[in-house]
Amino acid sequence: DTGVSQDPRHKITKRGQNVTFRCDPISEHNRLYWYRQTLGQGPEFLTYFQNEAQLEKSRLLSDRFSAERPKGSFSTLEIQRTEQGDSAMYLCASSLVTSSQETQYFGPGTRLLVL
Amino acid sequence: DAKTTQPPSMDCAEGRAANLPCNHSTISGNEYVYWYRQIHSQGPQYIIHGLKNNETNEMASLIITEDRKSSTLILPHATLRDTAVYYCIVRVGAGETSGSRLTFGEGTQLTVNP
Repeated sequence: DTGVSQDPRHKITKRGQNVTFRCDPISEHNRLYWYRQTLGQGPEFLTYFQNEAQLEKSRLLSDRFSAERPKGSFSTLEIQRTEQGDSAMYLCASSLVTSSQETQYFGPGTRLLVL
Repeated sequence: DAKTTQPPSMDCAEGRAANLPCNHSTISGNEYVYWYRQIHSQGPQYIIHGLKNNETNEMASLIITEDRKSSTLILPHATLRDTAVYYCIVRVGAGETSGSRLTFGEGTQLTVNP
């Protein structure tokens, strides 16, 4: 257990529905990342926050995806109008950035299945 | 970030050392080598990282060649619970926001056999 928690752990939804995932980072970690992982592939970066500011978004993050970190603590990732291609594991990671070092610690992931 | 090359799979006998290689011939002077592993259906687990010098912690040792073009992760006494996909990742230091993401390749599937 790294201290990063994600909720729910599993989600099954029908195509066209909206889903929201939550990530609680390690306390006082200032960076929070979202990644997506499909079967047989390594995780792919989606977006990250430093405190409450969203600093970078991948081209993978289509306009149906939105992420927030309103108070610089927990974060939510929402997918609107889900498609079957959104089926994947969604991973959250957090880190504490110092002058030169940063290590990302991952949560257990939320596994999404879109029917 | 520099690209890494790892063998797709390796086997190791339980109790023996597992040596996982990684090539990163295009690594830049400010890029670190990170190792993560992912046990089936879990999130990636941080193992170790280094810049130039060899590093050791309670999980593993990291040996980086002098020219920094390759590295080896060593699990000194592999157990069945070490069976996982191991990812070698190269990225810049924390102060450079453009390189914050981790870029995962396909990794090495290590299977520890009894």
